[in-house]
Amino acid sequence: QQPVQSPQAVILREGEDAVINCSSSKALYSVHWYRQKHGEAPVFLMILLKGGEQKGHEKISASFNEKKQQSSLYLTASQLSYSGTYFCGTEYSSASKIIFGSGTRLSIRP
Amino acid sequence: GAGVSQSPSNKVTEKGKDVELRCDPISGHTALYWYRQSLGQGLEFLIYFQGNSAPDKSGLPSDRFSAERTGGSVSTLTIQRTQQEDSAVYLCASSSSSPGLAGGYEQFFGPGTRLTVL
Repeated sequence: QQPVQSPQAVILREGEDAVINCSSSKALYSVHWYRQKHGEAPVFLMILLKGGEQKGHEKISASFNEKKQQSSLYLTASQLSYSGTYFCGTEYSSASKIIFGSGTRLSIRP
Repeated sequence: GAGVSQSPSNKVTEKGKDVELRCDPISGHTALYWYRQSLGQGLEFLIYFQGNSAPDKSGLPSDRFSAERTGGSVSTLTIQRTQQEDSAVYLCASSSSSPGLAGGYEQFFGPGTRLTVL
């Protein structure tokens, strides 16, 4: 099942914060976050694993609520370079396929 | 080091023709994925190869789509009798897919093949 992302789009001014949410109807093993800029391939941001481990971007943080099967990506003090579409990908067991949500388009204005 | 490469970068074909899209993953990566992305849309899962296991083909939209991975490395996605709705960017990604955080787990995406069916 495809995870549900919200909001679908966000417009911020430089320096503002944003939260992007990702939820699943099934128990999650891991959540992956990627950012895709226009015309480019998606680029890895962060992985959050069941049990609390995470690996990711130094300026972006995320949470993973296993009980609620939700993850949130926190973008603080946004910069123009943060613009793009953010995708969460969910994995339901170790080494299983990763299914991506429909994306959240983030636009940063100077 | 070399990343994931895909060829061709662009492919224009006529409706009804067959096309083959190629993906060269990062050397040593055991997992390989194909996704499809229509204009302005999300990443639609197509197929997943993991080591020597049988591929997960659950995302293939019809029997016109097939994929193989030879020698655990290069993969080819074949679309037979192409239709206009097949027009999209086809993205390949690979990962080492080792459980846990040591080494790779993240997906590395190729630049994609833009397929246009006239």
